[in-house]
Amino acid sequence: AQSVAQPEDQVNVAEGNPLTVKCTYSVSGNPYLFWYVQYPNRGLQFLLKYITGDNLVKGSYGFEAEFNKSQTSFHLKKPSALVSDSALYFCAVRDMYSSASKIIFGSGTRLSIRP
Amino acid sequence: KAGVTQTPRYLIKTRGQQVTLSCSPISGHRSVSWYQQTPGQGLQFLFEYFSETQRNKGNFPGRFSGRQFSNSRSEMNVSTLELGDSALYLCASSSSSGTLTYEQYFGPGTRLTVT
Repeated sequence: AQSVAQPEDQVNVAEGNPLTVKCTYSVSGNPYLFWYVQYPNRGLQFLLKYITGDNLVKGSYGFEAEFNKSQTSFHLKKPSALVSDSALYFCAVRDMYSSASKIIFGSGTRLSIRP
Repeated sequence: KAGVTQTPRYLIKTRGQQVTLSCSPISGHRSVSWYQQTPGQGLQFLFEYFSETQRNKGNFPGRFSGRQFSNSRSEMNVSTLELGDSALYLCASSSSSGTLTYEQYFGPGTRLTVT
């Protein structure tokens, strides 16, 4: 069965410092992996995805994520955090080889950037 | 292109009533998914439709149902409302081709309160 875990409910980072939001997954086949961000009272916005190819994926707003197959992880990173990055971040996974595969979201990590 | 629209944005219903929520996907998108978001349970998948066919279904009781029309617009219905159904219901659209690699575009959600 598919699953995705975001082990940290909250991540606190000072503005200007690098940030990492962790995500690990489990699928029976190969994964499609996604990161989304949710600002207060808004729907989710797509940040980036890994389908195949280069393990380092670049996305919107300066975010990037690294796919690590051996560690089954897809951590979200940014070299220098901004206060405006403060939001709720969701990792999601879908099994590549099953047309009946559902997309499963993690529980979310609240990122708080202090000035 | 216009984004995903959901109506109504806010809804207050009484236990035992039923409710219908509407979603209009981005033009050209044929896949529509529905999610329930609550503080305790996070983001839970309800169902996914593609070209009027239900492609996937989450683990929700039969009181939750949905459908998709030929113009890709979708509705979800909840019958015999319970207090626990209070949540933000998000609709997302993606993919004109039906493959699984496409990211989802979310609407702003419908905030349902059951009293």
